[in-house]
Amino acid sequence: SQQGEEDPQALSIQEGENATMNCSYKTSINNLQWYRQNSGRGLVHLILIRSNEREKHSGRLRVTLDTSKKSSSLLITASRAADTASYFCATVPSNTDKLIFGTGTRLQVFP
Amino acid sequence: DTAVSQTPKYLVTQMGNDKSIKCEQNLGHDTMYWYKQDSKKFLKIMFSYNNKELIINETVPNRFSPKSPDKAHLNLHINSLELGDSAVYFCASSATPAYGYTFGSGTRLTVV
Repeated sequence: SQQGEEDPQALSIQEGENATMNCSYKTSINNLQWYRQNSGRGLVHLILIRSNEREKHSGRLRVTLDTSKKSSSLLITASRAADTASYFCATVPSNTDKLIFGTGTRLQVFP
Repeated sequence: DTAVSQTPKYLVTQMGNDKSIKCEQNLGHDTMYWYKQDSKKFLKIMFSYNNKELIINETVPNRFSPKSPDKAHLNLHINSLELGDSAVYFCASSATPAYGYTFGSGTRLTVV
């Protein structure tokens, strides 16, 4: 079964706008990771946040983690057409080495 | 200089056949994985090897058998292919289990 569910399932925005994607998960975790998948391609690791961290930045990406609510968000600022892709959150449940993927958000950025 | 390479990229085969997918990584990572992505884009872990040792074996039919001849290679052999095996299969590797995976570009398997 999927550990994470993402919201929204699909998101369409204009270039320059910010995009926010949310991820909820079910169990306690070691870490949470976000990946991007362009159409027909493999997944690319974007950012990892550990369970004892609350916020992390990488370029135009900002990730937050709220372990009390078992949720995370990915914010992409000043989006570009090249950001068009599917974005997946993935969690490592505590006491496991498994990376379990969520359902994904399809982001479309219009020029 | 592809980090994680899978072959073939596309595989079309008839039901009942046996096929293999190969994966190689040149990152020096100790851990390698196979994931299956279905038509709804759900990704499910199948197997994980750490330094040639099987560490994760999800509920996958016995028809699927991974083999890791060395820590840079993880192959997937599938016997008696079924229609439901049609999917994209991704190989991945990481330096440490469950931290920052590098994925291959996938093998699209179509069983007819």
